Amino acid sequence: EVQLVESGGGLVQPGGSLRLSCGTSGFTFSTYWMHWVRQVPGKGLVWVALIYGHGRSTQYADSVKGRFTISRDNAKKTLYLEMQSLRAEDTGVYYCGRETYDFVNGRPAPGIDYWGQGTLVTVSS
Amino acid sequence: SYELTQPPSVSVSPGQTATITCSGDKLIYQYVCWYQQMAGQSPVMVIYQDTKRPSGIPERFSGSNSGNTATLTIRETQAIDEADYYCQAWDSGTDIYVFGSGTKLTVL
Repeated sequence: EVQLVESGGGLVQPGGSLRLSCGTSGFTFSTYWMHWVRQVPGKGLVWVALIYGHGRSTQYADSVKGRFTISRDNAKKTLYLEMQSLRAEDTGVYYCGRETYDFVNGRPAPGIDYWGQGTLVTVSS
Repeated sequence: SYELTQPPSVSVSPGQTATITCSGDKLIYQYVCWYQQMAGQSPVMVIYQDTKRPSGIPERFSGSNSGNTATLTIRETQAIDEADYYCQAWDSGTDIYVFGSGTKLTVL
């Protein structure tokens, strides 16, 4: 059974830092691209970042570029999100997600087929 | 930046067909997926690559993508289908992912 479990959320002051983790099990972690997605309670989903399976390539939403760093440890089957210079607008529930894989064509397919339960980050003084 | 537009809300009677649209520039050239998010829960993928259903998703759910609009169709809508629905696409020009604004489906 595929499982994704986020941790590391909490209350942080503006300008502060926080590191989120996403522990995984039930699949070959290193094969899959992984995402972070944010959602303010009661609002919509916002894509944050993506990392390829080997970890050498990453992509970020413009709103977090230069402040957030996505990384992974394939040996530990764990995904991370290092957040710095945090702002009030970074507040929300952060989900980690697994990119869909198209086994017929042997490549990732855009989309997130498994999601964690989320961890809440609150940026406030 | 690339944007996907959804209607804020759609209402449907039980047993009827619900249609939720997602509009974006040249969307036909992107693969679109759809997520269902029930209150207080994590999103669940219901459609990927425009038309495919993940394992466990009922056949009542189907998707299409034509021109600048992708569509999620739910046949024989049930009370359990009441949720927020989001479309998502990958912008190949900038290599980033984008979510639609979300549609609240109400089953009256």
